[in-house]
Amino acid sequence: QVQLQESGPGLVKPSQTLSLTCTVSGGSIRGGAYYWSWIRQYPGKGLEWIGNINYSGITHYNPSLKSRVTMLVDTSKNRFSLNLNSVTAADTAVYYCARVRATEVAFDYWGQGTLVTVSS
Amino acid sequence: EIVLTQSPGTLSLSPGERGTLSCRASEIVRSTYLAWYQQKPGQAPRLLIFGASSRATGIPDRFSGSGSGTDFTLTISRLEPEDFAVYYCQQYGTSLTFGGGTKVEIK
Repeated sequence: QVQLQESGPGLVKPSQTLSLTCTVSGGSIRGGAYYWSWIRQYPGKGLEWIGNINYSGITHYNPSLKSRVTMLVDTSKNRFSLNLNSVTAADTAVYYCARVRATEVAFDYWGQGTLVTVSS
Repeated sequence: EIVLTQSPGTLSLSPGERGTLSCRASEIVRSTYLAWYQQKPGQAPRLLIFGASSRATGIPDRFSGSGSGTDFTLTISRLEPEDFAVYYCQQYGTSLTFGGGTKVEIK
């Protein structure tokens, strides 16, 4: 059973960089036809896709966030990461990492999510 | 960007009743790239349906997906107590977007 776990600071100051890591267990990040993704959910419901990365480091970002997002993969540690720079209060959300079925582009395994608050 | 509009916003039903949830897209979506999720409070979303009509592993057959083009439907044939939750549709085209969600609540 694949499991994903987000880690990183729960509080980030405005204008700084939000950095999160997702560690994958129960399966290799290199294995199968999958991408790896970050999604966030604002308080009160809405879900927003941030971007995908594959095991070789090829990325696809949400155009609305592309100028501020960097995703990296570390296959030796079976994990991938998210950096979102120049954050504001509008970036406050629960951040999820997830595995993506590449053929259908559907998220079949999710982490539990981590709340990141942007505040001074 | 393709906008997904889900209706109704809230659906009030009793256990045992049938639930029909709608997801309408602002442009044509390839059926391969239409998925549905269930989310309960404090939990991550769970994949129910991918490819518009294929159930994910472990999903009961009371959940079914249908539709094509710009109109897609998630049907819950007989609501069980554990089915009261928020449901989201999601599409992938040039970008990836989610609908705003339908809350299925106990009547």
